[in-house]
Amino acid sequence: TQLLEQSPQFLSIQEGENLTVYCNSSSVFSSLQWYRQEPGEGPVLLVTVVTGGEVKKLKRLTFQFGDARKDSSLHITAAQPGDTGLYLCAGVKTSGTYKYIFGTGTRLKVLA
Amino acid sequence: DTGVSQNPRHKITKRGQNVTFRCDPISEHNRLYWYRQTLGQGPEFLTYFQNEAQLEKSRLLSDRFSAERPKGSFSTLEIQRTEQGDSAMYLCASSLDGNAEAFFGQGTRLTVV
Repeated sequence: TQLLEQSPQFLSIQEGENLTVYCNSSSVFSSLQWYRQEPGEGPVLLVTVVTGGEVKKLKRLTFQFGDARKDSSLHITAAQPGDTGLYLCAGVKTSGTYKYIFGTGTRLKVLA
Repeated sequence: DTGVSQNPRHKITKRGQNVTFRCDPISEHNRLYWYRQTLGQGPEFLTYFQNEAQLEKSRLLSDRFSAERPKGSFSTLEIQRTEQGDSAMYLCASSLDGNAEAFFGQGTRLTVV
């Protein structure tokens, strides 16, 4: 059972376009992290969101945590080739174990 | 550099051989996680430690897999009698506590031939 579903799975866009990646679940998470991963490397943490409805900005990236803490989105404005990579969301559940549960990933390619 | 360190970065082994990977977490992080990632997929949880105690193991972790963190610092992941299906990226992460941010190492890419 995949607890975190990401959409779209693949996205190929032109430089300068905007895009949104979604991370959805039926489970409630106490926090959610977004990572970016390049081929052959480990995931690099971009942001952590904790509070329902929270919005965080990191330069051209805007992250939002759903009010019910079940979903999140990542919006990129004016995408650049350097944004290319695998974007992963990971949630920590509110009960039981505190392991990080990863989404299925969104592979983004930004063409110059 | 005080990030998570994994060794080796790459390992090619013949089917049936044993392999061992090492992870050095960020200093003072008491939680350490092992994940496995296959091409195009998100990382899958294998196991995690709170200090030296192994608190949870995934069903993915068959009897051929064993992980240790003897002194609550570095950890090792051993795979015995490797199979081609074990080929993957093995990722280690650490966090200060259970609800803190997890930071990943660069991974160990295992290829079983």
